[in-house]
Amino acid sequence: SQELEQSPQSLIVQEGKNLTINCTSSKTLYGLYWYKQKYGEGLIFLMMLQKGGEEKSHEKITAKLDEKKQQSSLHITASQPSHAGIYLCGADRGGGTSYGKLTFGQGTILTVHP
Amino acid sequence: DTAVSQTPKYLVTQMGNDKSIKCEQNLGHDTMYWYKQDSKKFLKIMFSYNNKELIINETVPNRFSPKSPDKAHLNLHINSLELGDSAVYFCASSRSGRGSYEQYFGPGTRLTVT
Repeated sequence: SQELEQSPQSLIVQEGKNLTINCTSSKTLYGLYWYKQKYGEGLIFLMMLQKGGEEKSHEKITAKLDEKKQQSSLHITASQPSHAGIYLCGADRGGGTSYGKLTFGQGTILTVHP
Repeated sequence: DTAVSQTPKYLVTQMGNDKSIKCEQNLGHDTMYWYKQDSKKFLKIMFSYNNKELIINETVPNRFSPKSPDKAHLNLHINSLELGDSAVYFCASSRSGRGSYEQYFGPGTRLTVT
């Protein structure tokens, strides 16, 4: 079984709608990363969360890490077609050690219709 | 001013051939990675190098051999290519040290083995 589960696997929304993508781990997360990938391109770093209860925002995207550090959510407010892509959560299981071995979820494909 | 670059972007080759993918980063990072993304968009780490030393090797066939001539470069050589090697290969880099650091990804190399 996968260590990181993302839900939903795909999401189709109308422009202007809010949406949430979840990332759940069976193990404690020492660092939780959110990346966005557009077709044919590399991953774009969005945010990193480390502390239980932490919340970060960038433009219309907000990411949270729960107190137990086993679940994170990514929320997009007033979605736009530019938000479309694949959203991946990645977990650092290094426990604070030096080398960031990231394990990724299977990704959530977001489509935003104008 | 590309941060992490990979060449080539596309690679089409026949089974049994040997090929190399090159990666360079100009971010001054001392840790570099190779990831493989399969057809289902599942991203998995293959190797990690810190200061030219191999630190992560994730059950990858011996046909895959990474080489790091210096901290800014990490190349991937693949011998005797197989159909199952078809995927997108991403290079990434990050700082190292205590704690977690975001990884910056290259644009990917789409390898097709026929």
